Amino acid sequence: DTGVSQNPRHKITKRGQNVTFRCDPISEHNRLYWYRQTLGQGPEFLTYFQNEAQLEKSRLLSDRFSAERPKGSFSTLEIQRTEQGDSAMYLCASSFSPRGEQFFGPGTRLTVL
Amino acid sequence: GQQVMQIPQYQHVQEGEDFTTYCNSSTTLSNIQWYKQRPGGHPVFLIQLVKSGEVKKQKRLTFQFGEAKKNSSLHITATQTTDVGTYFCAGLGAGNQFYFGTGTSLTVIP
Repeated sequence: DTGVSQNPRHKITKRGQNVTFRCDPISEHNRLYWYRQTLGQGPEFLTYFQNEAQLEKSRLLSDRFSAERPKGSFSTLEIQRTEQGDSAMYLCASSFSPRGEQFFGPGTRLTVL
Repeated sequence: GQQVMQIPQYQHVQEGEDFTTYCNSSTTLSNIQWYKQRPGGHPVFLIQLVKSGEVKKQKRLTFQFGEAKKNSSLHITATQTTDVGTYFCAGLGAGNQFYFGTGTSLTVIP
């Protein structure tokens, strides 16, 4: 197992388009997190899953954002009708236990033109 | 809403000097984690503290969790160029969410 992977690594899109990102966590990890990070800031929580169940969503997450983890393995994060303010690094992390060490993926850098 | 602040935001030190970053939460935390993020990289886990007043050491790094479980610190003794990066604390708070701090960017001058 090579750790958490994310695809694509970079995405450039035009305002108004939809984008989808994928995260493959470490295989035995039940918990999966999505974060957003902008330059000079710490990761900002978006949502997390325990297996296939989405347990918590940030109040900052607008209805344009949706995440799934259909079989409790990989997860997707979709942003509809992208806005320039959505430009950021989107990080995925997984952990074996709910309060344990998080292993981060390399992130997907989104640029909205 | 819950906030986690870190100070300082930036720190430049001469190689060999010590470095400390402080993390403060507006509410009590269940635990606190520390991460290091190198320029262009992703956060990498350093350590987790759970108990009130807990102190843990990793070679030149010393981590503390405050008695009230609302603050924490990371101290690096005799910094090296390999210590360069941004250090984040992340506290487990309301809603079982991790709240990341604003980070302290460390530059080590050889």
